[in-house]
Amino acid sequence: KAGVTQTPRYLIKTRGQQVTLSCSPISGHRSVSWYQQTPGQGLQFLFEYFSETQRNKGNFPGRFSGRQFSNSRSEMNVSTLELGDSALYLCASSSDGYSTDTQYFGPGTRLTVL
Amino acid sequence: QKEVEQNSGPLSVPEGAIASLNCTYSDRVSQSFFWYRQYSGKSPELIMSIYSNGDKEDGRFTAQLNKASQYVSLLIRDSQPSDSATYLCAVPANQAGTALIFGKGTTLSVSS
Repeated sequence: KAGVTQTPRYLIKTRGQQVTLSCSPISGHRSVSWYQQTPGQGLQFLFEYFSETQRNKGNFPGRFSGRQFSNSRSEMNVSTLELGDSALYLCASSSDGYSTDTQYFGPGTRLTVL
Repeated sequence: QKEVEQNSGPLSVPEGAIASLNCTYSDRVSQSFFWYRQYSGKSPELIMSIYSNGDKEDGRFTAQLNKASQYVSLLIRDSQPSDSATYLCAVPANQAGTALIFGKGTTLSVSS
């Protein structure tokens, strides 16, 4: 099976712009989670989708949003970009969405905000 | 808000030694615990999960869980230079779903 794929892999934006990141989970997986990784804060949970419904949301401002499509692919959007949004954004998928499931991470999207 | 604490390291061990990585968590109701490994420039990959008190062994890796002390550890026996990476401890954010709360990770360096 193909792994989790994320596009684009690298992105450079300027402050105030918005950005959309895409994640395709492993075939058959229904749960997709998004994480932000920075050197200072580490890996922080953004949100989780299961069967097109947002099931959990981390402690991030409303500028961060996401959605999941019927084929389980997911997108996240960040509006009004700030310098502090520069980070590696990781997507992870799991099969059944249980807390004991193994999560498989994609390669990430490196976002740089200038 | 759950918290997961790890020593950031770096933890340096010689090749062939045992590396011991520790993690404490704040929530007494957590039932699942995960250890992820992340090589520099790569994404995290799961190496061990543990759900019951005691030890769980998988090859050179042993996870140890003590729920009463809210403590989980990872032992790596016969450490190899290829084990040099950042090790992340994680617990579920809640019982419904796959959202994980991660520690900031311990960087392990194995010298040959």
